[in-house]
Amino acid sequence: DGGITQSPKYLFRKEGQNVTLSCEQNLNHDAMYWYRQDPGQGLRLIYYSQIVNDFQKGDIAEGYSVSREKKESFPLTVTSAQKNPTAFYLCASTYNTEAFFGQGTRLTVV
Amino acid sequence: RKEVEQDPGPFNVPEGATVAFNCTYSNSASQSFFWYRQDCRKEPKLLMSVYSSGNEDGRFTAQLNRASQYISLLIRDSKLSDSATYLCVAQRTGNQFYFGTGTSLTVIP
Repeated sequence: DGGITQSPKYLFRKEGQNVTLSCEQNLNHDAMYWYRQDPGQGLRLIYYSQIVNDFQKGDIAEGYSVSREKKESFPLTVTSAQKNPTAFYLCASTYNTEAFFGQGTRLTVV
Repeated sequence: RKEVEQDPGPFNVPEGATVAFNCTYSNSASQSFFWYRQDCRKEPKLLMSVYSSGNEDGRFTAQLNRASQYISLLIRDSKLSDSATYLCVAQRTGNQFYFGTGTSLTVIP
């Protein structure tokens, strides 16, 4: 089955640690995105990539980093510089006018 | 100003009711528009695209008004299973999607 896979589903991190969220897609889509969703809020764009080896900052990129070495993969690193990382993180890819989402990773800082 | 603005609700309606959601977008360069549905603690999924001519899918009707820069979603004969958060989305060129904060709907038996 084609789709987007995010892992892990739940992640706990200690303050001061970096953590990497995985996003893999086998849809052959060029464009991939990372969003953050907080309770009662919409999706805010962290980073996006239109093509391999290229990515752009979104609205809230501070404290995050990404890479796009392969078309299928767009991992997101939440660094210790991100002051409030506890949130629901969604990865998406797009084809024409439709966005497809992974099931999300719920990150909690303890 | 946010790209896409929605009333967060919550909307609590009885089964069988008709409910309407509106959203506005700020950038006239936005080209395509959508409604996504998000169930609690799940990922958003495409509900329907929105066209200027209006489009209907069963009990759901979506409408776009480019002159006023607003998008609407009408749900008729609400079912318990319609309870979810509905996200309004605008897309600009270059595949950039802008999401509203979502409108929460609870259908009550």
